[in-house]
Amino acid sequence: DAGITQSPRHKVTETGTPVTLRCHQTENHRYMYWYRQDPGHGLRLIHYSYGVKDTDKGEVSDGYSVSRSKTEDFLLTLESATSSQTSVYFCAISESETLRQGSSYNEQFFGPGTRLTVL
Amino acid sequence: RKEVEQDPGPFNVPEGATVAFNCTYSNSASQSFFWYRQDCRKEPKLLMSVYSSGNEDGRFTAQLNRASQYISLLIRDSKLSDSATYLCVVREGGFGNEKLTFGTGTRLTIIP
Repeated sequence: DAGITQSPRHKVTETGTPVTLRCHQTENHRYMYWYRQDPGHGLRLIHYSYGVKDTDKGEVSDGYSVSRSKTEDFLLTLESATSSQTSVYFCAISESETLRQGSSYNEQFFGPGTRLTVL
Repeated sequence: RKEVEQDPGPFNVPEGATVAFNCTYSNSASQSFFWYRQDCRKEPKLLMSVYSSGNEDGRFTAQLNRASQYISLLIRDSKLSDSATYLCVVREGGFGNEKLTFGTGTRLTIIP
């Protein structure tokens, strides 16, 4: 299994509080992603990173910010949590397709997920 | 219209049967296609990539029809361990475009 960990794995917080989720990888992969997964929706991309200090918005970025100061860490911050942000959050990593010749490129490896409840 | 659409199921199939899922995608510029498997309360994991010529991996066969913009997954001789949600995934393509679009998943339960 790819070396990806997420912390915390479970969190309950109150509306209006700041929350930071951490994704840590030991694979030295260039790309990192944050998704959320909700019933009735596929995984939806929140933000992603294509290198240290290089990030971009995904499909559902409102209310979220990210930072990547080191290759191995990608942080997701909810500045002021709302009940609509109750979800399961998955981090994923991948390598550039040019570096994975002959194998299934763009494979994204997922972390175990963080279950966040905002009351 | 959703970018990637799947029948949510559930599909309840007896052990040993053959089951097939379809998935349609809306962006004709999509270039890469995958099936991921997700067990209950676990992370998604890549099951197989889908190539234009079709590809097989043991009991699993994936097909791509670009003209009709659909992808299929066939599972033969189904096992209890195949019970999971199967996610259809599409990448729009272009070098450096690593973003994936996920379907909502098709839930499969294999019945003993």
